[in-house]
This record gives sequence, structure tokens and C-alpha cells, in this order.
Amino acid sequence: AQTVTQSQPEMSVQEAETVTLSCTYDTSENNYYLFWYKQPPSRQMILVIRQEAYKQQNATENRFSVNFQKAAKSFSLKISDSQLGDTAMYFCAFMNNAGNMLTFGGGTRLMVKP
Amino acid sequence: AAGVIQSPRHLIKEKRETATLKCYPIPRHDTVYWYQQGPGQDPQFLISFYEKMQSDKGSIPDRFSAQQFSDYHSELNMSSLELGDSALYFCASSLGWGRGTEAFFGQGTRLTVV
Repeated sequence: AQTVTQSQPEMSVQEAETVTLSCTYDTSENNYYLFWYKQPPSRQMILVIRQEAYKQQNATENRFSVNFQKAAKSFSLKISDSQLGDTAMYFCAFMNNAGNMLTFGGGTRLMVKP
Repeated sequence: AAGVIQSPRHLIKEKRETATLKCYPIPRHDTVYWYQQGPGQDPQFLISFYEKMQSDKGSIPDRFSAQQFSDYHSELNMSSLELGDSALYFCASSLGWGRGTEAFFGQGTRLTVV
């Protein structure tokens, strides 16, 4: 079974600064998919960014980018130019190659301060 | 764009009652996932379906059952409800088996058992 670990229960950052959220995972599969989801106070789950394990290039979506280290099984999320609207819970998630299960980490609560 | 629709949004039931949660995936999505998120917890995988057949099972209690219908909508049936079943229940859908496409989440059904 896969496990996903987010070691930072809470983080804070000043508006306009950069913050990095950590995620590690454990799997015996060689091909898989990784995601970061954002859950604002409304509790809706919103996809932030995805990464395919077979791609060496780190995914980027506007102010969001990842540092994917496959050998270290690490998948961190960097948020640049943090905005107040980025305040939310962030979940790292692992999808197996079969695509039939999505496993979440425990989440990191991010607070962006004005 | 159409999103994942869950109904009802809120549900209050008494202990030992039965509840049915419905999920309508994004059109053409053939995979549905169900998650349970307790207060302050990360989403826990319950069960998934692909092409109307169960594809994987997580920590779903025996009191719960689910199915995916011919129109791809899914229903989660919960019987003999317990206070501990109070949670936010998410449905997510994705396209394609083993393609690792991102799962899109509905807004969730908040179940309160009193």
C-alpha cells in the first residue's frame, strides 16, 4: 500500500513571499502520478498541480511549481508570490498506475498573512 | 464547464437510520471515487468504480455499500448510521483507467448523525 506523508501540519507566509510545502511518499511502483490539492475553508477540493512520475521535468502552473525527486520519493510544492487567497489546507496525493486509488497525505494548513 | 455534482449538500440523520448519497461525475468520466473526511482529518478513500464495476476498496465499513449505474452516476448507501459517520463525503471523477488523469472533486455532502 502507498503512504503519503506531509511533515508540516501548519505553515505561514507573508503575502508576496515564497513558501514550500513538503511531501514524501512510499511506493513500490515505478510509474504513478502525484497531485497537490487545495482545500479552502469552503472544504471543496481543488486541483493545484499534477506530476507524472515518468516525466523528469517539474510541473509548473503559474505561481505553483513542484520539486519532484523520484529517487528520494519527494514531491514538494512551491508557491511564489503568495496571495491571501492561497490560505487553505493543501493535500499531497498519490495515484497508483492503475488509476483506481488516490491516497492523500495528512495535509498542511497554510496561512498567508497580509 | 460541468463539474462533479453531489447531492444532497447537507444531510442530517439519526443514529441507526439509513442515508443515500449521490454523485454525478463529469460527462464522459468513467471512474468515480468516494472519500470520507472527518473533522480536521485528511480524506480517507472508501471505494472506487470504473465502468460501472467496483475497482478498488478502501476503508469502507460493511454497513456501507455503493454502486455505479449505467449512466455513470454513483450512490453511496449507508445503513445503521453511527455518530462517528458524521463527516464530509466527497465524490470525485476522472477519465480513463490507468491514465492517471486528475480526479475532480464535487463539493461534498456533509452528513451529520445525531
